[in-house]
Amino acid sequence: GESVGLHLPTLSVQEGDNSIINCAYSNSASDYFIWYKQESGKGPQFIIDIRSNMDKRQGQRVTVLLNKTVKHLSLQIAATQPGDSAVYFCAEQPTGSEKLVFGKGMKLTVNP
Amino acid sequence: DTEVTQTPKHLVMGMTNKKSLKCEQHMGHRAMYWYKQKAKKPPELMFVYSYEKLSINESVPSRFSPECPNSSLLNLHLHALQPEDSALYLCASSHRDREGELFFGEGSRLTVL
Repeated sequence: GESVGLHLPTLSVQEGDNSIINCAYSNSASDYFIWYKQESGKGPQFIIDIRSNMDKRQGQRVTVLLNKTVKHLSLQIAATQPGDSAVYFCAEQPTGSEKLVFGKGMKLTVNP
Repeated sequence: DTEVTQTPKHLVMGMTNKKSLKCEQHMGHRAMYWYKQKAKKPPELMFVYSYEKLSINESVPSRFSPECPNSSLLNLHLHALQPEDSALYLCASSHRDREGELFFGEGSRLTVL
């Protein structure tokens, strides 16, 4: 289930389940969105991106959905594995800007 | 080579010390970034260099001084820091055509006593 810990929300799932991580963004001028994964002791790692002219994009075991009407982004992970345990951040980038702004993050814990 | 290398991995310094964090990439990326990350928080942008010129400074205090000696190197000079500056400092780079796809180093863990 999902819980809100001190500053960092946490999602716990069983191995093999599908996971959904949600993100709300604030800047209407943002037209590029990216999901990053950060494992303990490492820097963030790019997972998948989507531009505002799309509402869905699929990668290997991951799907990103974008709802511009409600400024909502989600990351779906199929058949979650223990190696997926990490903190996941959404990030947004306004048009023409080099500035990438990260959202609050969610910690995903996969139980074997 | 798809790595961003940061040194040192750990740094402990006093408030009167002067130290530097270093970052190196050999992917031909023309944009390089410094981010600061506190525990359980997202990375916060500090500086962006584009083609070796400072293009974004997110109102960072002057006790942090960035430097980009060439297209592969990025430094962060530290002087007269405060204990609240203790954090993980992340360097990243990106290709000019894929500015949102940042390649991050593993970070330098800084402790200010």
